[in-house]
Amino acid sequence: GAVVSQHPSWVICKSGTSVKIECRSLDFQATTMFWYRQFPKQSLMLMATSNEGSKATYEQGVEKDKFLINHASLTLSTLTVTSAHPEDSSFYICSAPPIGTGFYEQYFGPGTRLTVT
Amino acid sequence: AQKVTQAQTEISVVEKEDVTLDCVYETRDTTYYLFWYKQPPSGELVFLIRRNSFDEQNEISGRYSWNFQKSTSSFNFTITASQVVDSAVYFCALSEAMILSGGYNKLIFGAGTRLAVHP
Repeated sequence: GAVVSQHPSWVICKSGTSVKIECRSLDFQATTMFWYRQFPKQSLMLMATSNEGSKATYEQGVEKDKFLINHASLTLSTLTVTSAHPEDSSFYICSAPPIGTGFYEQYFGPGTRLTVT
Repeated sequence: AQKVTQAQTEISVVEKEDVTLDCVYETRDTTYYLFWYKQPPSGELVFLIRRNSFDEQNEISGRYSWNFQKSTSSFNFTITASQVVDSAVYFCALSEAMILSGGYNKLIFGAGTRLAVHP
């Protein structure tokens, strides 16, 4: 089956630093990847849609200058949390639909737990 | 606007009990997809089922079954003879089709239902 990996699986950083999270589709290609954020005991909220070769589309209320997204290739999207603060601590999950399968076959990564101290 | 409501925040049952997780959705589109995902304590989302809006046939997969009723905009999930390993958060999600644009549409998740199955 299709596999999506995320790296790192967890990270602790100090306030004010930047953190990069990678999302890779291991055995398929994806022109689109989605980034979600999940606070403890809450649901997944879509942050942005990453598009290969073009700018990401951000959901309302998500600061694009704070959450930088780069879809470098058909198998890699990165989310960089710039100048992280404790309120950015969350579980970040990416998902990707394989090219040609349509939106309904999204494969989720295992998530990255970010803690900002 | 799209919306998914999972009114049950937490459910606690004893092993071997049957349990039904409710999901009610709102959408203006006639073409859409509904999903159920399981999120165990490890955090990774596990895909359980996908159902399109034109297929109202109920589905059974082992101890799992799903009841889709368009008339009430509900897509409920039943676990029969629950087991401790079923303990997790279960999310219902909705996605509208973007057939014309051929694009990818986002998933709208419900708040989730935390299921605790006790021995």
